[in-house]
Amino acid sequence: GDSVTQMQGQVTLSEDDFLFINCTYSTTWYPTLFWYVQYPGEGPQLLLKVTTANNKGISRGFEATYDKGTTSFHLQKASVQESDSAVYYCVLGANSGTYQRFGTGTKLQVVP
Amino acid sequence: EAGVTQSPRYAVLQEGQAVSFWCDPISGHDTLYWYQQPRDQGPQLLVYFRDEAVIDNSQLPSDRFSAVRPKGTNSTLKIQSAKQGDTATYLCASSFLGQSNTEVFFGKGTRLTVV
Repeated sequence: GDSVTQMQGQVTLSEDDFLFINCTYSTTWYPTLFWYVQYPGEGPQLLLKVTTANNKGISRGFEATYDKGTTSFHLQKASVQESDSAVYYCVLGANSGTYQRFGTGTKLQVVP
Repeated sequence: EAGVTQSPRYAVLQEGQAVSFWCDPISGHDTLYWYQQPRDQGPQLLVYFRDEAVIDNSQLPSDRFSAVRPKGTNSTLKIQSAKQGDTATYLCASSFLGQSNTEVFFGKGTRLTVV
């Protein structure tokens, strides 16, 4: 069945470090892909999305590129700040009769 | 615009007790989702509706969990006889049309602890 995989459970960085979070997906179609971010005590919220039409999404300094060849959708940011500390989810968009599927999440901790 | 509203925010139960969670989605959103999020895990779908119809409840533990959305607006998720393994945050979310490129909007969740 359709699935999305995040291998990194936790990432600890210092401020101004480069962030890279790995995400791969498995489907028989070309989905819309999302990154959601979840802060403590809140529900997940959309960070960015990428469709098959545009291949790249940018928001709040974060960037993700849709690579159909490697079925990957990695999230990156050039310089993280302490306020970026949160859990980041790679999400597979819905198809006809399906629903959005969340990855297991990557907890980012940015230390000053 | 008001977001997705859930109540209560917290609930603490003993095993065997019942509890209901209530959700008010964003006005005009026809698709409503209930997710279960155990601590330090990603959200896992329990059930979702389009209008008042259940589209997928295959992940809902049907012997103890039930969900309704009678008028296609608000929804209630009920646990009849809670178990310690039900300890989790229950998230309600909504979207318009549920299409593949549609953002899903989440409430703050109800954190349930079963002791």
